[in-house]
Amino acid sequence: AQSVAQPEDQVNVAEGNPLTVKCTYSVSGNPYLFWYVQYPNRGLQFLLKYITGDNLVKGSYGFEAEFNKSQTSFHLKKPSALVSDSALYFCAVRAGDSNYQLIWGAGTKLIIKP
Amino acid sequence: KAGVTQTPRYLIKTRGQQVTLSCSPISGHRSVSWYQQTPGQGLQFLFEYFSETQRNKGNFPGRFSGRQFSNSRSEMNVSTLELGDSALYLCASSSGTSLGEQFFGPGTRLTVL
Repeated sequence: AQSVAQPEDQVNVAEGNPLTVKCTYSVSGNPYLFWYVQYPNRGLQFLLKYITGDNLVKGSYGFEAEFNKSQTSFHLKKPSALVSDSALYFCAVRAGDSNYQLIWGAGTKLIIKP
Repeated sequence: KAGVTQTPRYLIKTRGQQVTLSCSPISGHRSVSWYQQTPGQGLQFLFEYFSETQRNKGNFPGRFSGRQFSNSRSEMNVSTLELGDSALYLCASSSGTSLGEQFFGPGTRLTVL
């Protein structure tokens, strides 16, 4: 069965420190991986995606994510956290070219403390 | 381009009633997906429509139904509302390819009393 796991319900980081939000997946076929962010009382916004090519992909708001095929992971990272990064982050995967449904993780609440 | 719009933004209904939510996708997008978001259950996939056909379906009861029109606008209907249907309902549009990201609307907040 295809699945996405975000092992941490909540991540706390001090402002200015690097942050990592973890995501692992299990799919058959080549994975297409996505990160989305949901700010309080707002809809989800696309951050970045991995389709193929470089394992490190860069996205909006200074975020990047590293695809690791051997560890089946796609962790979201940012070198220096801002208080405004506090939000709910979702990882999602689509399995291969013929599968159109996104499989979603449960979400990770990121709290950046001043 | 205008973003994804959802109407209404807020709804209050009573148990047993039915409700229809509307979603207008980004111009040119042919795929519309619907999600239910609750604090306890996270983001749950309802169904996806592509070119007026349901292409994927989640594990929701038949009380939840949808359709898509020739202009790609989509509606979602919930019949015989239950208290547990209270949630934020999100609509997302995309080009419909496997590579494409989804663009979300602001959601419709449904409260069932």
